[in-house]
Amino acid sequence: ELKVEQNPLFLSMQEGKNYTIYCNYSTTSDRLYWYRQDPGKSLESLFVLLSNGAVKQEGRLMASLDTKARLSTLHITAAVHDLSATYFCAVAGNQFYFGTGTSLTVIP
Amino acid sequence: GAVVSQHPSRVICKSGTSVKIECRSLDFQATTMFWYRQFPKKSLMLMATSNEGSKATYEQGVEKDKFLINHASLTLSTLTVTSAHPEDSSFYICSATTVGYEQYFGPGTRLTVT
Repeated sequence: ELKVEQNPLFLSMQEGKNYTIYCNYSTTSDRLYWYRQDPGKSLESLFVLLSNGAVKQEGRLMASLDTKARLSTLHITAAVHDLSATYFCAVAGNQFYFGTGTSLTVIP
Repeated sequence: GAVVSQHPSRVICKSGTSVKIECRSLDFQATTMFWYRQFPKKSLMLMATSNEGSKATYEQGVEKDKFLINHASLTLSTLTVTSAHPEDSSFYICSATTVGYEQYFGPGTRLTVT
């Protein structure tokens, strides 16, 4: 079974700071997804990464994929309070395998 | 973009009763639908995968007689929680796929069993 680990599980950061969330997975896959979840809500798709070296950016978030290292990163630049949420990565195998989630709190 | 709806968004039921949750793909035909369960502050746990016209495939540890899944058409799947108990209280999320690689997630259903 494919295992997906995220770290950190909890992240508290000040506004204006940068940070990176890591997503490691155990077996080969060439499709990786990042989602955002707000409290009480479902998942909002952020990025779909389909190939080694893929990099995508949207606003203050940038995601990358290294399939050889089985690693994806979600980088946050100059964090703002609105980014406070839980972030999940998911890896596609014969189903979607979700990471443990990273609960991000941005402090003013 | 592809839209998936769920109904109801919230439901409270008494212990021992059954409750049905609907998942609809509104603007596309879904080849496969997935049902997930999420406990507070936890990740999503896949319960079952359903394809239109065939029996659902349940994940290990998920009771198929308790969580009945019907995928009657290419746009509708239902999850029925039978003889619900308080431990079934959870956030249930469906998703749907079509040709391609995306899963489109519904808004979720909050089930509370009293």
